[in-house]
Amino acid sequence: GENVEQHPSTLSVQEGDSAVIKCTYSDSASNYFPWYKQELGKRPQLIIDIRSNVGEKKDQRIAVTLNKTAKHFSLHITETQPEDSAVYFCATNAGGTSYGKLTFGQGTILTVHP
Amino acid sequence: EAQVTQNPRYLITVTGKKLTVTCSQNMNHEYMSWYRQDPGLGLRQIYYSMNVEVTDKGDVPEGYKVSRKEKRNFPLILESPSPNQTSLYFCASSLAGPGANVLTFGAGSRLTVL
Repeated sequence: GENVEQHPSTLSVQEGDSAVIKCTYSDSASNYFPWYKQELGKRPQLIIDIRSNVGEKKDQRIAVTLNKTAKHFSLHITETQPEDSAVYFCATNAGGTSYGKLTFGQGTILTVHP
Repeated sequence: EAQVTQNPRYLITVTGKKLTVTCSQNMNHEYMSWYRQDPGLGLRQIYYSMNVEVTDKGDVPEGYKVSRKEKRNFPLILESPSPNQTSLYFCASSLAGPGANVLTFGAGSRLTVL
C-alpha cells in the first residue's frame, strides 16, 4: 500500500520566520496531495491541496509544491504567526483501484515562538 | 449547519465489551471513513465507504467492523475491544472519493480500553 513519510516530526521557529514540512510518498499513481492542520484538541481541517497536474499552489502565506518525479511534496508557511502553531499532516490518495484510501503522514508539531 | 457528528466523544470500557461509535453526516456525502490517531503515527485509516453498502478496508482494519446501511450513517464497531485499541478516533466524510474532495472531520471520540 501507499507509504507516506513526513519530516520533521517537530519544528520550532520564531515568529516571522518561514517553516517547511516535507512529505515523500511511494505510489506513483497518487494524484491528490492535501495538507491538514490540527490545532490542540480540535479536528483536522484542510488548509491547502494540490493535484498532480500542478507543480505549485499558493494561498496567502501558505504554499504547497509537488515534485512527482521525486515523489515528494512540501508545505511552506511564510511570516509565521503564533496561531500557526499546530500539528500539520500531509496526505495522499492511492490511485488505481484503491482510490478510496487516503494515507496520512505521521504529523509535524509546529511551534511558533512570539 | 453542515457537520459530522460522532458519539460518544469519550468512553472508558473494559476488554471484550462490545461497543459502537456512531458517525452521522448531514451533507449528503457519498464517501465516509474512519481514522485512528496515535502519537507519532499520525492518522491511520481503518475503513472507508464509497457509498451505501460499499465498504472497504483501510490500512489498520483488524479488530474493527463497519456498516453503511444508510448514506448518512457509518458506525464503527469494536466486537471485542483490546487495550491496543485505546486511541482517538475520527470519522470523516466528503462529497465523493478522497481523490479530489475535502474531508470534513467529526470532533473525535477518545476511547480507553482497560
